[in-house]
Amino acid sequence: EVQLVESGGDLVQPGGSLRLSCAASGFTFTSYWMTWVRRAPGKGLEWVATIKEDGSEKYYVDSVKGRFTISRDNAKNSLYLQMNSLRAEDTAVYYCGSPRYGHWGQGTQVTVSS
Amino acid sequence: QAVLTQPSSLSASPGAPASLTCTLRSGDNVDSYDIYWYQQKPGSPPQYLLGFTSNSHKQRGSGVPSRFSGSKDASANAGILFISGLQSEDEADYYCLTWHNNAWVFGGGTKLTVL
Repeated sequence: EVQLVESGGDLVQPGGSLRLSCAASGFTFTSYWMTWVRRAPGKGLEWVATIKEDGSEKYYVDSVKGRFTISRDNAKNSLYLQMNSLRAEDTAVYYCGSPRYGHWGQGTQVTVSS
Repeated sequence: QAVLTQPSSLSASPGAPASLTCTLRSGDNVDSYDIYWYQQKPGSPPQYLLGFTSNSHKQRGSGVPSRFSGSKDASANAGILFISGLQSEDEADYYCLTWHNNAWVFGGGTKLTVL
């Protein structure tokens, strides 16, 4: 059974940093592009970042470029999202997964507020 | 112009059918893109419903009822999600999704109300 478990979400002040983690199991992690998406309060789903199987390609939505970094450790079957210079508009539930195959974790809440 | 456009809301009665559209922007050919459909309910992660690839392959998510179906409509340059025999538990937000210019793009979502 595919399992994705996000962690690392928290309440942080504007300008602060967080590192989200996503532990994967039940599938061949090294064969999948992996993605972070988010849903902010009162808004729709938004793609955040995607990384290729071997980490050689990374793509970001414009609003997080230069602030967020997606990475993975295939030896640990783990995906990460380093989030710096956080803004109030980054407040959302963040999900890791594979859009093409429909696997998602339960999400982790990130709240940016003073 | 947004890459994917969805009506913001739709209402229908229990037992009735519902058709949700996802229009690809002018200049992009829907037959050249994979279109995926997701359902999301409050407090829950997105649930994969259906996928339609550029080579006409269709895939259904695990456990998705057969009353969820769909297609691409080349004449409308759109993806279509069709739900037959609406049930109260179908009330949710529905999103279409595609990979476009090295980015995943969601439609704005359709809030489906079953009343």
